[in-house]
Amino acid sequence: EAQVTQNPRYLITVTGKKLTVTCSQNMNHEYMSWYRQDPGLGLRQIYYSMNVEVTDKGDVPEGYKVSRKEKRNFPLILESPSPNQTSLYFCASSFSGYNEQFFGPGTRLTVL
Amino acid sequence: EDQVTQSPEALRLQEGESSSLNCSYTVSGLRGLFWYRQDPGKGPEFLFTLYSAGEEKEKERLKATLTKKESFLHITAPKPEDSATYLCAVGRGSGGSNYKLTFGKGTLLTVNP
Repeated sequence: EAQVTQNPRYLITVTGKKLTVTCSQNMNHEYMSWYRQDPGLGLRQIYYSMNVEVTDKGDVPEGYKVSRKEKRNFPLILESPSPNQTSLYFCASSFSGYNEQFFGPGTRLTVL
Repeated sequence: EDQVTQSPEALRLQEGESSSLNCSYTVSGLRGLFWYRQDPGKGPEFLFTLYSAGEEKEKERLKATLTKKESFLHITAPKPEDSATYLCAVGRGSGGSNYKLTFGKGTLLTVNP
C-alpha cells in the first residue's frame, strides 16, 4: 500500500530533550516536506526537500533541523524543544513539488 | 511574501444546499493551486490541482475553478459526508530548483442532514 508513515504518532517530552520524528514514504517520491498545524494558524511549512541531499527552509524553520540522506526518509529533528513547538506535525511527499502531496497521519507533540 | 486567504472561515449548509468556498492568493510565480480536504485528526487529502487561470476540474459534487487572483471550490448538492475542513494552498517555484507551498487557514464546512 502506498503510504507515508510517521513515528511516533504521539509524544510528550520536556523542554531541551532532543527528539527526532521519523518520516518514510514507499512511493519513490522525490519531494518531501514537513508541516506544523496550529489552531488559528493553519498548516505551515517547516522544511522541504526536492531530492536527496537537497533541503530548503519553509515559513517556520527556526528550532528545527532536517536531513535527506535517503530518498524514502526525511526525519525532523528538534535539538532543544521548547513549549512553543507543541503542535501537530505532518510529513508529506510527492513526485515533485508540482504534484499532489500525500500526507502522513500526523504526530502530536507536546513539550512541557 | 506569499499570502493565501480563505473565506468563509466556517460554513454551515443543509444537505442539498449548494455553495462556494473562496481562496484568494498573492504569490509571485504561481506554479500550482491545490485544494485539500482534511477530516478531524487526519492528514489532508488531495482533491485538485489547478495550474492556470481559466482552468476547471470536477470530482463528484466538487468543482474547482481558478482566476489570476482567486480560486473557488463549488459544492453542488452537498451531503453530510462532505463535512470537513477544506484547505487551499499555492505553490511557488523559482528556476526549477525549489518549490515552496503556502496554505490558507481553511474553511470548516458542516453539512446538516
